[in-house]
Amino acid sequence: NSKVIQTPRYLVKGQGQKAKMRCIPEKGHPVVFWYQQNKNNEFKFLINFQNQEVLQQIDMTEKRFSAECPSNSPCSLEIQSSEAGDSALYLCASRTGGCAETLYFGSGTRLTVL
Amino acid sequence: AQSVTQPDARVTVSEGASLQLRCKYSSSVTPYLFWYVQYPRQGLQLLLKYYSGDPVVQGVNGFEAEFSKSNSSFHLRKASVHWSDSAVYFCAVSMGGMQQGTGSKLSFGKGAKLTVSP
Repeated sequence: NSKVIQTPRYLVKGQGQKAKMRCIPEKGHPVVFWYQQNKNNEFKFLINFQNQEVLQQIDMTEKRFSAECPSNSPCSLEIQSSEAGDSALYLCASRTGGCAETLYFGSGTRLTVL
Repeated sequence: AQSVTQPDARVTVSEGASLQLRCKYSSSVTPYLFWYVQYPRQGLQLLLKYYSGDPVVQGVNGFEAEFSKSNSSFHLRKASVHWSDSAVYFCAVSMGGMQQGTGSKLSFGKGAKLTVSP
């Protein structure tokens, strides 16, 4: 069973509000991913980290989304000004470094933007 | 870029019957292959994975999958389903070590919703 912890499970925001969610990766996993899963089960990669460094992020993330993985603190994903289209399940996943490729997912944060 | 196709969006089988969920991928090289399951209001749980070697891989809860390079497929099977197998099943691929610098992100199919009827 995955030991990736995501909080909160549910998040409800109004349009224009900030939305922040957190993720504690599995112990010993330096690589962290954030995905967005919409209601049509389409997954969108948002950003990933190795330790505290950003490896890759999509353009959308660079505009309204921000994320960080500080040492000794939970990783976080924040939407500065929420839009209705941001309503989705946000999944955090982690894995070991090196050649291991298996991602272990948390239970997600369900964001609803009213 | 790789892509994943799951042609059966909804599958209904009777409890005790066998199951096959299909997955086809498109990639210039053989990717790493995964099946994940998502139960209602939960995240993704890994069922099994294929990197290399024996094309038939065993997973949790009696699931197995068979890789076919010639067909670019990675179909999931179970000999006898239980009502608790009702969930959404996702096939996913990554380029693995060939993209170490980018963190090897996964590409997902759109999922197959499995309903096991009594």
